[in-house]
Amino acid sequence: GAVVSQHPSRVICKSGTSVKIECRSLDFQATTMFWYRQFPKQSLMLMATSNEGSKATYEQGVEKDKFLINHASLTLSTLTVTSAHPEDSSFYICSARDYLTGELFFGEGSRLTVL
Amino acid sequence: GQQLNQSPQSMFIQEGEDVSMNCTSSSIFNTWLWYKQDPGEGPVLLIALYKAGELTSNGRLTAQFGITRKDSFLNISASIPSDVGIYFCAGSSGTYKYIFGTGTRLKVLA
Repeated sequence: GAVVSQHPSRVICKSGTSVKIECRSLDFQATTMFWYRQFPKQSLMLMATSNEGSKATYEQGVEKDKFLINHASLTLSTLTVTSAHPEDSSFYICSARDYLTGELFFGEGSRLTVL
Repeated sequence: GQQLNQSPQSMFIQEGEDVSMNCTSSSIFNTWLWYKQDPGEGPVLLIALYKAGELTSNGRLTAQFGITRKDSFLNISASIPSDVGIYFCAGSSGTYKYIFGTGTRLKVLA
């Protein structure tokens, strides 16, 4: 199947710093990418939809100034957690939609720990 | 956010048994996807369904797109220990967004 690469897989940072997570579609073009947060033993919670060349669409309750999303090309979206706090610690996952088939492929996930 | 009703929530089965799980929606979907997620990893796409009534297999896995277009089913035959994980359904009504099920946690006893 198609490959979506997410980096870094694990990151530990100090409270108050910013962390950037990258999501790349390696073998297809993704006009739309999605960012999720997943709490232990729960399903995926959609945070925002990232559209290439335009502003991201955030779900209700997600702070856009806190979670900055950039989708500068058809193969790359980034999520920046700004001024991170311990409550931002979580598993963040991206997905990319293959515009030809409509199928959704996920990255490997990024475990963020804020000390 | 909105989630699909997926059942069962969890199941313990013996190795070699067949497994069935389903997902239901209050609205009509045009696409159903089924995923498996291992701990600490992203979900992996298992099967994609595009048409009402469609039955698609991927090895020991078979999924069906319900004829009402409001449900989908996943079956795993002759389960093995590596089938353990969380299975998610996802549905789309034709927009770019997918809605995910609550997940079925599968544990296989050897």
